[in-house]
Amino acid sequence: DTGVSQNPRHKITKRGQNVTFRCDPISEHNRLYWYRQTLGQGPEFLTYFQNEAQLEKSRLLSDRFSAERPKGSFSTLEIQRTEQGDSAMYLCASSPDGDRETQYFGPGTRLLVL
Amino acid sequence: AQTVTQSQPEMSVQEAETVTLSCTYDTSENNYYLFWYKQPPSRQMILVIRQEAYKQQNATENRFSVNFQKAAKSFSLKISDSQLGDTAMYFCAFSFNTPLVFGKGTRLSVIA
Repeated sequence: DTGVSQNPRHKITKRGQNVTFRCDPISEHNRLYWYRQTLGQGPEFLTYFQNEAQLEKSRLLSDRFSAERPKGSFSTLEIQRTEQGDSAMYLCASSPDGDRETQYFGPGTRLLVL
Repeated sequence: AQTVTQSQPEMSVQEAETVTLSCTYDTSENNYYLFWYKQPPSRQMILVIRQEAYKQQNATENRFSVNFQKAAKSFSLKISDSQLGDTAMYFCAFSFNTPLVFGKGTRLSVIA
């Protein structure tokens, strides 16, 4: 069990550029979640998947954001036309079917939009 | 909508002492889950302890224990024999049908 991994760990981009983050959940974890954490705050839910199906999206997930989990394994989160307000830590978590409430987090991707 | 409140933005404790972090939440649900997560500086979120609301017995994990008061909607974390490695942000979280709702966190500093 290698834990949840996320890439890249850091990303600096200019306003208006597109960025994509990847999350690899713990093996055989069917649920995968994306959260956003800004400085001094707790994580806020963005969206989650059960296998390849995207089951819920937060209103925080504007139409510039899109997430996919095409084969029910890894997931990508893309932000189009980035804005300075998108600067945050993007966290991925996963949970197994047998204990779906308990989520295990990855190290996060820190995004800075200049 | 569920909310989680952590009223102590910062706390400090002497090494080897005991500290209690507070958390209250608001929900109309009956069967839910509560968690404490630890986030050390520049490191990832680690699950510390979880509590199922239908269980009356308070959860314990080594030096970490909770005081779960369902009627009062209170879920505090007690850390015994504090160690320097306990220095971190601590987040209380609530779950009902899956996505976690987090509080704003308590920054705990353990002082040698």
